[in-house]
Amino acid sequence: RKEVEQDPGPFNVPEGATVAFNCTYSNSASQSFFWYRQDCRKEPKLLMSVYSSGNEDGRFTAQLNRASQYISLLIRDSKLSDSATYLCVVSRGSTLGRLYFGRGTQLTVWP
Amino acid sequence: GAVVSQHPSWVICKSGTSVKIECRSLDFQATTMFWYRQFPKQSLMLMATSNEGSKATYEQGVEKDKFLINHASLTLSTLTVTSAHPEDSSFYICSANTDRGRSNGYTFGSGTRLTVV
Repeated sequence: RKEVEQDPGPFNVPEGATVAFNCTYSNSASQSFFWYRQDCRKEPKLLMSVYSSGNEDGRFTAQLNRASQYISLLIRDSKLSDSATYLCVVSRGSTLGRLYFGRGTQLTVWP
Repeated sequence: GAVVSQHPSWVICKSGTSVKIECRSLDFQATTMFWYRQFPKQSLMLMATSNEGSKATYEQGVEKDKFLINHASLTLSTLTVTSAHPEDSSFYICSANTDRGRSNGYTFGSGTRLTVV
């Protein structure tokens, strides 16, 4: 079983739409959780960390459910510039060890 | 902020030749560097972890004699793909830890797209 599982999509939504991505992780020892954004042929860039209490950054809301080992990302009021691949990422330790990446969910926002 | 400079950004080489990829930490000391590979529409897969001054730790299935990693200083780590073949064509990217006190202290290089013909 893969460490991190994501629905690859693609998701095609109009501007202004709300879209949600889901992710599950297999190792209960995972301690740090992130959403990264990756544009075509570019390196991943941190979108936001995910905390147990849930957290919001502007139009982006991340949620974590440790009991079901489930992570989500909600994007409200989608913009054309949100088109990218969104990577669910986990790390097992509290120190900065290796990251485990999901294969990513592709989002296209159309005008 | 912390920057990792990765070169080259893309390279085309002939089968059988070797290619060296460099990652430099510009304004911090990277004691640990992670090397990932990403095939089209796939996730980033860790190839190896390099620590300054010691041998790299390779993930299962990654040939250490084919993918040579050198981390001779706190600011430079290199990955050499030896005797490259078309199946080695991929996106290679490095990542370094930048702040041990924070959970989001990872910085990525800009990646190297390798095409072997």
